[in-house]
Amino acid sequence: GQSLEQPSEVTAVEGAIVQINCTYQTSGFYGLSWYQQHDGGAPTFLSYNALDGLEETGRFSSFLSRSDSYGYLLLQELQMKDSASYFCAATGSARQLTFGSGTQLTVLP
Amino acid sequence: EPEVTQTPSHQVTQMGQEVILRCVPISNHLYFYWYRQILGQKVEFLVSFYNNEISEKSEIFDDQFSVERPDGSNFTLKIRSTKLEDSAMYFCASSTGREDYGYTFGSGTRLTVV
Repeated sequence: GQSLEQPSEVTAVEGAIVQINCTYQTSGFYGLSWYQQHDGGAPTFLSYNALDGLEETGRFSSFLSRSDSYGYLLLQELQMKDSASYFCAATGSARQLTFGSGTQLTVLP
Repeated sequence: EPEVTQTPSHQVTQMGQEVILRCVPISNHLYFYWYRQILGQKVEFLVSFYNNEISEKSEIFDDQFSVERPDGSNFTLKIRSTKLEDSAMYFCASSTGREDYGYTFGSGTRLTVV
């Protein structure tokens, strides 16, 4: 099985940088993804890391260290619209995702 | 941009009744999934479907659940005899199989069992 731990809440101000950490314990781990969810709506794919290192997509970056079973999502130049829940998710052997419990990000003006 | 379409958006049903949740995945995707999210909790995997058969299912996906791809476009989740604890948001998702492209989730069906 798989379990993922992430902080329940993070607060930051507009324009700041925030990092959301995720640690995982898994069997059959293929990679780590990040999803954004606004108010219970459809989760939206942000990024995926299969290998160690940093992946950058615009204002968002994601990092993975397989040896440490650890990853993080870095959000830069925060905007009010970034207020949402962020989930890390581990990919298993059948491409199924096991989600963490989510981090509620609140961006303050 | 292609979308995963789910119907209905809301469903209220009495305990013990059967419900069918419907999904139209993105047309060139090969992998199909159902997930659920109980209010305020994390998204939970139910089942994955590839090449017209179940490729993986979770402990939640017991004999009360079934999935079907009756034609080339629809993908359905049936719950045979609903229980109160089945109340949740049910998300359908599809993917190409390339993890770096991620899944595309539908907007979900809010199922309320009374």
